[in-house]
Amino acid sequence: QKEVEQNSGPLSVPEGAIASLNCTYSDRGSQSFFWYRQYSGKSPELIMFIYSNGDKEDGRFTAQLNKASQYVSLLIRDSQPSDSATYLCAVNTYTGTASKLTFGTGTRLQVTL
Amino acid sequence: NAGVTQTPKFRILKIGQSMTLQCAQDMNHNYMYWYRQDPGMGLKLIYYSVGAGITDKGEVPNGYNVSRSTTEDFPLRLELAAPSQTSVYFCASSYSLAGGQEQFFGPGTRLTVL
Repeated sequence: QKEVEQNSGPLSVPEGAIASLNCTYSDRGSQSFFWYRQYSGKSPELIMFIYSNGDKEDGRFTAQLNKASQYVSLLIRDSQPSDSATYLCAVNTYTGTASKLTFGTGTRLQVTL
Repeated sequence: NAGVTQTPKFRILKIGQSMTLQCAQDMNHNYMYWYRQDPGMGLKLIYYSVGAGITDKGEVPNGYNVSRSTTEDFPLRLELAAPSQTSVYFCASSYSLAGGQEQFFGPGTRLTVL
């Protein structure tokens, strides 16, 4: 069974600090990796995606991918209270007929004042 | 663009009742998906569609049915509702599968079965 694992948290960081969110996946054939943010009672919204090994930066967010270790992470610099949400890691696999996302259970982030 | 829309936002069903959750998108996306999200859990894929007339099962299809007669609409049918189907249901769409495209989510339908 293809799995995506995340620590459920909550991860508590003070305002202005760096939040580090981690995700591991089991399917070595996975090709692309997504981080979604979900506020309580709302739908997921895409933060970042990454396809290649290494780092990808977008503003305060950096996604890191290591396919050999089957590990993907999201760093949030200068964390703000508005970053408090659940962060879902999603792994995409193309089966030949369709592209499917497998989601982790999410890590709840709390940014404290 | 309205994006992905879902109706209703909330619904309470009695055990054994049936209902249809509506989903529509106006982005001309080929791919559409239905997920359910239980409290504290990630999203589980129920059904997906790669185009009008083509649907396939996801991880948790039992108790549900779908149809895709147009590109825009992808309704989810619950037959004989059970308490285990109490969940939040999200519809999503994406343009294509090449490279793993971003999925856009609707606002969700919160369903309670009593």
